[in-house]
Amino acid sequence: QVQLVESGGGVVQPGRSLRLSCAASGFTFSSNPMHWVRQDPGKGLEWVAVTSHDESNKYYADSVKGRFTISRDNSKNTLYLQMNSLRPEDTAVYYCARDTFGSFDFWGQGTLVTVSS
Amino acid sequence: DVVMTQSPLSLPVTLGQPASISCRSSQSLVYSDGNTHLSWFQKRPGQSPRRLIYKVSNRDSGVPDRFSGSGSGTDFTLKISRVEAEDVGVYYCMQGTHWPWTFGQGTKVEIK
Repeated sequence: QVQLVESGGGVVQPGRSLRLSCAASGFTFSSNPMHWVRQDPGKGLEWVAVTSHDESNKYYADSVKGRFTISRDNSKNTLYLQMNSLRPEDTAVYYCARDTFGSFDFWGQGTLVTVSS
Repeated sequence: DVVMTQSPLSLPVTLGQPASISCRSSQSLVYSDGNTHLSWFQKRPGQSPRRLIYKVSNRDSGVPDRFSGSGSGTDFTLKISRVEAEDVGVYYCMQGTHWPWTFGQGTKVEIK
């Protein structure tokens, strides 16, 4: 069965960096684009970034462009999100999600990132 | 960006009664291939989002048939024919036609 397991969240000071990971199993990871989506506590869902199956195309939300970098290692079945220059407004639960033609069919359980001094 | 507007934002319902959530997009969600990439997700407290419906009206595997999706163009609806206690949570529509993909604000379904 498809499984996505995020890790790497935690408490970090503003301006610092953090790298999230998403370990995938139960499907051919190298075949699907993959996304990061976040949810601010008490608020709605916000799409963050996407990478194509082979990293040839990557897109970012304006709110993270220039600060976050999405990447993947298909040999390790793992998706990453490098988050630099973190701001308090980046505080959220971060989910990785599998892309299937205009939608997300599977989500991980999420990892909480808290940006606070 | 395409703005997705849901209504109502809060929906108290009686067990066994129907419920309906509206989702309107600021642009048509018909893609160049003719598909309309409008999905519905359920978010229960403490759980990750779960997709219920994709491409407007296609129910995911394991989703009870009391959930149904309909609509076209810019106007979409999620219906629950008879609300059960396990349906409590927040429901989101999402468009995957235009970049960036965007979500509605969410509709909180609770039992009266």
